[in-house]
Amino acid sequence: QQQVKQSPQSLIVQKGGISIINCAYENTAFDYFPWYQQFPGKGPALLIAIRPDVSEKKEGRFTISFNKSAKQFSLHIMDSQPGDSATYFCAASMGGGSEKLVFGKGTKLTVNP
Amino acid sequence: EAGVTQSPTHLIKTRGQQATLRCSPISGHTSVYWYQQALGLGLQFLLWYDEGEERNRGNFPPRFSGRQFPNYSSELNVNALELEDSALYLCASKGSYEQYFGPGTRLTVT
Repeated sequence: QQQVKQSPQSLIVQKGGISIINCAYENTAFDYFPWYQQFPGKGPALLIAIRPDVSEKKEGRFTISFNKSAKQFSLHIMDSQPGDSATYFCAASMGGGSEKLVFGKGTKLTVNP
Repeated sequence: EAGVTQSPTHLIKTRGQQATLRCSPISGHTSVYWYQQALGLGLQFLLWYDEGEERNRGNFPPRFSGRQFPNYSSELNVNALELEDSALYLCASKGSYEQYFGPGTRLTVT
């Protein structure tokens, strides 16, 4: 019940296209859902986060869509660029984000020029 | 504003030895989290410290331990190292809600 399931495992998109990564969770006590971007040899960097009282949040080219009833959330990267090529992790936490993060397995995104 | 810092960047140890990893949180952050990122296993929660106290620990054996100092920096100790402890160890500090990660310490056990 503590798991966060992430798909796809890898994704190849052409420059300018839309990248979509999906996550699903079971524990309804989760109330904070961040997305992280990680480049090889670096620590994860926080991209964008959402709480369940909001169905969508947009920051620049990155949008989180949240479906509370389906217990699913997704990351959309608009106008994908080669510089977006990285591994993306979804995560979930309880206690408004104060508790540990439970991570998905990650999605390796490749954006071809 | 300086981010989360970790030292050393790389650490090579032999099986059975002890490893000590260090983390300095973002100024003003009092909570520190440790995660292990092992190949094929993703990011796994290890330990959470807040205000000098251990608040929670993940599903790891007791040879993984740590502490938080009065200046909120933290130390992770791994005793009796095993080959499968080879991983990137990440430290994060928490602001209002968000956890910000450091660059990690790459531990290699031979």
